[in-house]
Amino acid sequence: QVQLVESGGGLVKPGGSLRLSCAASGFTFSDYYMSWIRQAPGKGLEWVSYISSSGSTIYYADSVKGRFTISRDNAKNSLYLQMNSLRAEDTAVYYCARVEGDCSGGSCPFMRFDPWGQGTLVTVSS
Amino acid sequence: SYELTQPLSVSVALGQTARITCGGNNIGSKNVHWYQQKPGQAPVLVIYRDSNRPSGIPERFSGSNSGNTATLTISRAQAGDEADYYCQVWDSSTAVVFGGGTKLTVL
Repeated sequence: QVQLVESGGGLVKPGGSLRLSCAASGFTFSDYYMSWIRQAPGKGLEWVSYISSSGSTIYYADSVKGRFTISRDNAKNSLYLQMNSLRAEDTAVYYCARVEGDCSGGSCPFMRFDPWGQGTLVTVSS
Repeated sequence: SYELTQPLSVSVALGQTARITCGGNNIGSKNVHWYQQKPGQAPVLVIYRDSNRPSGIPERFSGSNSGNTATLTISRAQAGDEADYYCQVWDSSTAVVFGGGTKLTVL
């Protein structure tokens, strides 16, 4: 069955860095766009970033642009999120999710997320 | 940037019909997806492309989208339907947008 398992979360000081990983199994990872989505404690869902199947197309939310970097290793069936210059407001559970819905020329009108991993908690605090 | 507006909470009597709305400028021209999130769990897709149910989602869940409002309808509401529900679209200027979420209470 399709499975996504995140790891790498933890406690980090403001200004610090952290690298999240997402191990995928049960599907052909290299065929799918992938995404990171986060949820601050007691708050709603916030999309963070997505990456195309080949890694050539990447988009970020304005709130993380310039600080976070998404990447993938199709040989290892893994998705990553490098988070630098972390702030208190980055504290959240970070989910990886498989993207469903075709994209063409940078347009992804049908984009949705299914399934999601169980999430990994990132806490930014001194 | 594109925004989606959901009511903070909706209540429904056991066995009755719940309707959760998602408002956005001309949202009827977009594809709307809905997620259910129970406490301590990851979100689950329950409706995609306005009105389609993924496999394993009960027929009690349905969706519609027209004008400036998309609606998730849960018929014959059960205690197990209590959860937070989020709508989501893709927008050419903002990429992915989530609504703020609606807490469904089954009385």
